[in-house]
Amino acid sequence: EAGVTQFPSHSVIEKGQTVTLRCDPISGHDNLYWYRRVMGKEIKFLLHFVKESKQDESGMPNNRFLAERTGGTYSTLKVQPAELEDSGVYFCASSRHGPYEQYFGPGTRLTVT
Amino acid sequence: GESVGLHLPTLSVQEGDNSIINCAYSNSASDYFIWYKQESGKGPQFIIDIRSNMDKRQGQRVTVLLNKTVKHLSLQIAATQPGDSAVYFCAEKTSGTYKYIFGTGTRLKVLA
Repeated sequence: EAGVTQFPSHSVIEKGQTVTLRCDPISGHDNLYWYRRVMGKEIKFLLHFVKESKQDESGMPNNRFLAERTGGTYSTLKVQPAELEDSGVYFCASSRHGPYEQYFGPGTRLTVT
Repeated sequence: GESVGLHLPTLSVQEGDNSIINCAYSNSASDYFIWYKQESGKGPQFIIDIRSNMDKRQGQRVTVLLNKTVKHLSLQIAATQPGDSAVYFCAEKTSGTYKYIFGTGTRLKVLA
């Protein structure tokens, strides 16, 4: 089966601009997660969807970040407006029925200049 | 790469030797643990997992050991190969949640 895919692989934007990241989970996986690693830090949880519903947004840093999963398939993560500290790698993961065995995508490297 | 600025402990092992990568966790309420391998430019790749009601689990060439008394997790790789060179992360999950908490990672270098 195809793995988790993310688009784009790399995005370079200026401070104040908007960027939208996309994640396609493994087919049939109800659970979708966003994580990120900013420079020098560990991978940190952002949020969790079950199908189209947000279950846990406790890791979202502020209201400049908006995640959606319309229809319960792919998800988008929008950063608006982007700040320098948002630079990092954004990972998406998915799991089938529970929290176990989360499979990660290749990540999107976001650079805010 | 993305590890720039993140000072990772490094484990260097000779090809063919066994590797042991260690991880300490802090939350006694964690009920699930998982090891990932991350190669440069790629996302974390699932290796093996273990639930808190177990203390050992084996996969192909890999074994995970869990010591809940001292909150310690280890990953053992048998007959380490050049393709095992990567950064290895442990992650834990607290009971009742879905989010993983990651460690800082360990870089494994396999010497030919």
